[in-house]
Amino acid sequence: EAGVVQSPRYKIIEKKQPVAFWCNPISGHNTLYWYRQNLGQGPELLIRYENEEAVDDSQLPKDRFSAERLKGVDSTLKIQPAELGDSAVYLCASSLAGTGGEQYFGPGTRLTVT
Amino acid sequence: GENVEQHPSTLSVQEGDSAVIKCTYSDSASNYFPWYKQELGKRPQLIIDIRSNVGEKKDQRIAVTLNKTAKHFSLHITETQPEDSAVYFCAASRSGNTPLVFGKGTRLSVIA
Repeated sequence: EAGVVQSPRYKIIEKKQPVAFWCNPISGHNTLYWYRQNLGQGPELLIRYENEEAVDDSQLPKDRFSAERLKGVDSTLKIQPAELGDSAVYLCASSLAGTGGEQYFGPGTRLTVT
Repeated sequence: GENVEQHPSTLSVQEGDSAVIKCTYSDSASNYFPWYKQELGKRPQLIIDIRSNVGEKKDQRIAVTLNKTAKHFSLHITETQPEDSAVYFCAASRSGNTPLVFGKGTRLSVIA
């Protein structure tokens, strides 16, 4: 079974530029999470989806961040415009409701904003 | 909201010795406590988890204990090996499908 897939793995952009990250969860997993991991820290939630509905986005900086999961499968996270402080690893995770909900992470996208 | 504290931030042990990492949490409604291992540049990998109806769980050289009254849980690794070297994160949530709140991580170094 394929794990959570993310692309790109690395991205370097200049500040004020837009950037987008893509995630494909484990097949059949209806819950999808985007976390941000700063260097030397644990992951912190940005947004959680149940199917195509965003059910927890209180930590998402909505002035510059947006996300979508149109068909309840893969998801895109966008930053526009990027700031220096957005440099981090963006992790996607997925889980299956009703099975205990263990969360499985993708490899992440390492974003560097210069 | 939930707050998870993790200690120590770094831990060095000799190969074959045991390692213990401790976490405390603040939300008494939390009932799911996973542990993740993250090697440099790689994804966090779930290595063991425990739920509030269980006090202890073991999987080969890894065990986790939970004390709900005191709101703390611990990871125990016995007979450590160099490949156990990584950053370990504890986390807590109200159920498996709700967002995890992570500790700040423990960098474990196993010295051969």
